[in-house]
Formats: sequence, structure tokens, C-alpha cells
Amino acid sequence: GQQVQQSPASLVLQEGENAELQCNFSTSLNSMQWFYQRPGGSLVSLFYNPSGTKHSGRLTSTTVIKERRSSLHISSSQTTDSGTYLCALEPNTGNYKYVFGAGTRLKVIA
Amino acid sequence: GPKVLQIPSHQIIDMGQMVTLNCDPVSNHLYFYWYKQILGQQMEFLVNFYNGKVMEKSKLFKDQFSVERPDGSYFTLKIQPTALEDSAVYFCASSFTGNSDYTFGSGTRLLVI
Repeated sequence: GQQVQQSPASLVLQEGENAELQCNFSTSLNSMQWFYQRPGGSLVSLFYNPSGTKHSGRLTSTTVIKERRSSLHISSSQTTDSGTYLCALEPNTGNYKYVFGAGTRLKVIA
Repeated sequence: GPKVLQIPSHQIIDMGQMVTLNCDPVSNHLYFYWYKQILGQQMEFLVNFYNGKVMEKSKLFKDQFSVERPDGSYFTLKIQPTALEDSAVYFCASSFTGNSDYTFGSGTRLLVI
């Protein structure tokens, strides 16, 4: 089955609202990273966060290893936050590769 | 921050021809990767590469695909011959170690006609 499950699949927010994006995984992990994929396709790294909580501006990422989940919180959303948010993790199987989730497509409307 | 450069950004090629996608990884990184993303679909692992060798390749890495990094130059993905189903965006990534953060390039959009 799917090693990385992201939810929700899509989300529409009014500007200023907050969002919580989830990433659940079925395996223990070595590494974990959140990416933002621009509408044009390029990837921007948001957080490298294999455990714990990290903050960057309006974004917060929390990874709880024991519960096999990671979340990305966006506060006070802006229209420029629109795009796809991808969770990727490197399973603890000795093979160095990221497995990606299907993503959450976020649209923020003014 | 450090960047991964991919050349070209776009490529249109006739089915059956050969294509080479070039990647200039972050200078001190040791691990290199290629991923494939068909429009609107999930990012899929193709292959990883370390110390001059392929470590693992997925089922998507067909016999027509090959990778190399001659003498520390570009890390390349070659497809020979190309097929219509090879049309996708190909992303290159690099990392310093096998379990550190990855830096991705902006992708090469390949269209096979």
C-alpha cells in the first residue's frame, strides 16, 4: 500500500484563514522533508524535519515519529500560498531515496 | 541557498530519438537522484547514484534509460530511444549524505512527439 498518505487532497481557503496539512506514513524513517511545488512545477524546500517542531515565518512543521505523522501548519494564509504541498520521506530501509505523497493542492482566494 | 541547475528547462523531441538531460548538483553533494512527474500526477523515484554507481533503480527506470556523471561534470539522464510515455517533467536532486535534506532542480519538461 501507499507508504505516504497526505490529507486533505485539496483545500480552498479564504485569505487570512489557517490550514493544517497532514502527512501519515506507514514506515519508520531516516529523513523527512516538506516541499512547496509552484504552479509552474518547481520545488521549494520548506522544512527538513525528521522529528520535532520547526518554525519558519507563518509556517510550522511538526513530526511525531512514534505516531508516524507530520503536519504542516500555515497561519494567516495568503493568495501567494496557493500551490501544491508535498511531503517526502526516506524510509528506514537502507535505500537512499525519497518517497513522495500525492500532495495537498491548496488554493487561497482573496 | 545552494541550487541544483537543470539544463535544458524544456525539450521537444521526436519519438525514437535520443535525449540527454543534464543536472549540475550542489557542489559538495555526494548523492544524486532523478525523479519523474507526469503532469498532474505524483512525483516518482527513478534512480539514485553515489560514488560513480547506481545504488537503486525503480521499475520506471527502463532499459532505455541510463545515468552517469563522468569526472564530476554534469549528472546526466539519457533516454535512448525515447517513447511517447517518456513525456514528463524530470527532476534532478542531490544531497550531501544519504539521509540529509535534498535540493531539487527546477525540472526539465520533456515532450516526446
